[in-house]
Amino acid sequence: GAVVSQHPSRVICKSGTSVKIECRSLDFQATTMFWYRQFPKKSLMLMATSNEGSKATYEQGVEKDKFLINHASLTLSTLTVTSAHPEDSSFYICSAPNGAGGPFRNEQFFGPGTRLTVL
Amino acid sequence: AQTVTQSQPEMSVQEAETVTLSCTYDTSENNYYLFWYKQPPSRQMILVIRQEAYKQQNATENRFSVNFQKAAKSFSLKISDSQLGDTAMYFCAPSDSWGKLQFGAGTQVVVTP
Repeated sequence: GAVVSQHPSRVICKSGTSVKIECRSLDFQATTMFWYRQFPKKSLMLMATSNEGSKATYEQGVEKDKFLINHASLTLSTLTVTSAHPEDSSFYICSAPNGAGGPFRNEQFFGPGTRLTVL
Repeated sequence: AQTVTQSQPEMSVQEAETVTLSCTYDTSENNYYLFWYKQPPSRQMILVIRQEAYKQQNATENRFSVNFQKAAKSFSLKISDSQLGDTAMYFCAPSDSWGKLQFGAGTQVVVTP
């Protein structure tokens, strides 16, 4: 199946700094990618839809100035957590749809996640 | 908007036994898909099984099968011949036509020897 990578796998930063997380589709192109946030023992919460060549679409309640998303190419989307604070500590996961055509063209392939800890 | 209910926070099953996870959802979409994903301790999301909403035939994938009741908006997952490696959090997730997934709260499955 298709592979999605994320970098870094874990990051620790100081409060007030910015952190960038990369999501790459390794063997397929993705005009759309999705970013999720997951708290311990909780479900995945969709944060935003990343669109190649255009602005991201954010879910209600997600601060777009806090979580900057850039989809610069067909294989790369980045999430930047700006001026991070301890409450931003979480597990962040990206996904990209299959895009291969057919009825399950929207099947999602997930990255391995990034654990962010803000001190 | 879609809402997803997984009413079982945790299920325990012995090896080789069968367990069924429930999922109900609400959607205004006419064309949608349904997925079950598992998340083992590694936290990597793995597709378990998928179903096209316009198909009445229930999907099966080896030891995994679903009972899809469209009118009732129910999409349960049956794991047969459970194995220790099946221990994971299982999420039910309908998808809209744009690929946007809505996840349920999840059911932790624990397979015991």
